[in-house]
Amino acid sequence: LAKTTQPISMDSYEGQEVNITCSHNNIATNDYITWYQQFPSQGPRFIIQGYKTKVTNEVASLFIPADRKSSTLSLPRVSLSDTAVYYCLVGDLTSSNTGKLIFGQGTTLQVKP
Amino acid sequence: DGGITQSPKYLFRKEGQNVTLSCEQNLNHDAMYWYRQDPGQGLRLIYYSQIVNDFQKGDIAEGYSVSREKKESFPLTVTSAQKNPTAFYLCASSLRDRKLPEQYFGPGTRLTVT
Repeated sequence: LAKTTQPISMDSYEGQEVNITCSHNNIATNDYITWYQQFPSQGPRFIIQGYKTKVTNEVASLFIPADRKSSTLSLPRVSLSDTAVYYCLVGDLTSSNTGKLIFGQGTTLQVKP
Repeated sequence: DGGITQSPKYLFRKEGQNVTLSCEQNLNHDAMYWYRQDPGQGLRLIYYSQIVNDFQKGDIAEGYSVSREKKESFPLTVTSAQKNPTAFYLCASSLRDRKLPEQYFGPGTRLTVT
């Protein structure tokens, strides 16, 4: 599975847009990009997944450039409740793979009033 | 009300004792996973199972054992051989799919061994 690199921490203020970038230079052709959110003492929660270009749902947007070597999670108008750890994962489930997810340290987002 | 449950939420054991953590899901998912999380760290995969009666070691399986006798259940036993068992344990499940499947996580069990 492709290794990912993301900032350890970020600070923001309520109402701002937050962009968290993840690098995955050795992403493979069949790999998808997935982001999870984790609050303290809870299990991670799926946020968004994409393969290329842009994906948007009710929570976030995911921007993936043409070379797919990085991706950016965009959280519009964050609130205090968005304070959490955000994980970027890259991988593929095929017959030779296992659905394993590799979680790095993630990005700790602190939203301030 | 579909979901994945883990029990208990907090568990305390003495060193040298085996302990079993429960994980149940009613999402009809084929795949189930166990992760361990230490403070300030990401999740590390202990064991996973793609179908009933089959499971595979993850990255840190030593000192742990699992069983998958039913689709809905994937209990994890932390044995006395696990050198540092105190951690937050998370169970997850997912569909088996071509693309990276969304994993649904339980609320976790915090195990403290003294």
